[in-house]
Amino acid sequence: GQQLNQSPQSMFIQEGEDVSMNCTSSSIFNTWLWYKQDPGEGPVLLIALYKAGELTSNGRLTAQFGITRKDSFLNISASIPSDVGIYFCAGQGIQGAQKLVFGQGTRLTINP
Amino acid sequence: DAGITQSPRHKVTETGTPVTLRCHQTENHRYMYWYRQDPGHGLRLIHYSYGVKDTDKGEVSDGYSVSRSKTEDFLLTLESATSSQTSVYFCAITPGQGNIQYFGAGTRLSVL
Repeated sequence: GQQLNQSPQSMFIQEGEDVSMNCTSSSIFNTWLWYKQDPGEGPVLLIALYKAGELTSNGRLTAQFGITRKDSFLNISASIPSDVGIYFCAGQGIQGAQKLVFGQGTRLTINP
Repeated sequence: DAGITQSPRHKVTETGTPVTLRCHQTENHRYMYWYRQDPGHGLRLIHYSYGVKDTDKGEVSDGYSVSRSKTEDFLLTLESATSSQTSVYFCAITPGQGNIQYFGAGTRLSVL
């Protein structure tokens, strides 16, 4: 089946640094989504991308839908303590109507 | 919180016992999903439903069954729980015809 490779698996950064993470796949996706999960809670949607090449921002977060439709990137600028958590990418493939495939997650830790 | 309630939030049970987890939604969404979350695996789809009494398997459905007799409730049953089913279980819904999924707060299940 379709799989997403998300990297890095974990990041340890200083407050104020910028963060980059990405997801890649061997399959084409029609939609890319980025979620954040805080401890003890369910994932919450951050950004949705629907078109190859699309670049979308949500505050300090920016995500891009890769031109090949096989990858996506999430950047966080000027990190703050509340950015700590696990970030997941998710994609909807061309066959997977109403179903998503999730990456393994990137755990972000911030040193104040 | 997308009107999703999962119950129970925490459960400890013994190997071989049946367990049922409940997902309740208040907004008559058609699509509902059950995932499990394990370290290093992200979120993996167990079963999903596209209407009352309409369900289908996900990638990790072995050992699980589901039922949806009412629009608002999607039940996940472990007929005979095993230690490998110790996990955090998330329910999700998709509003309308879109593909964005919104998640409940999760159920932490420990099978001893």
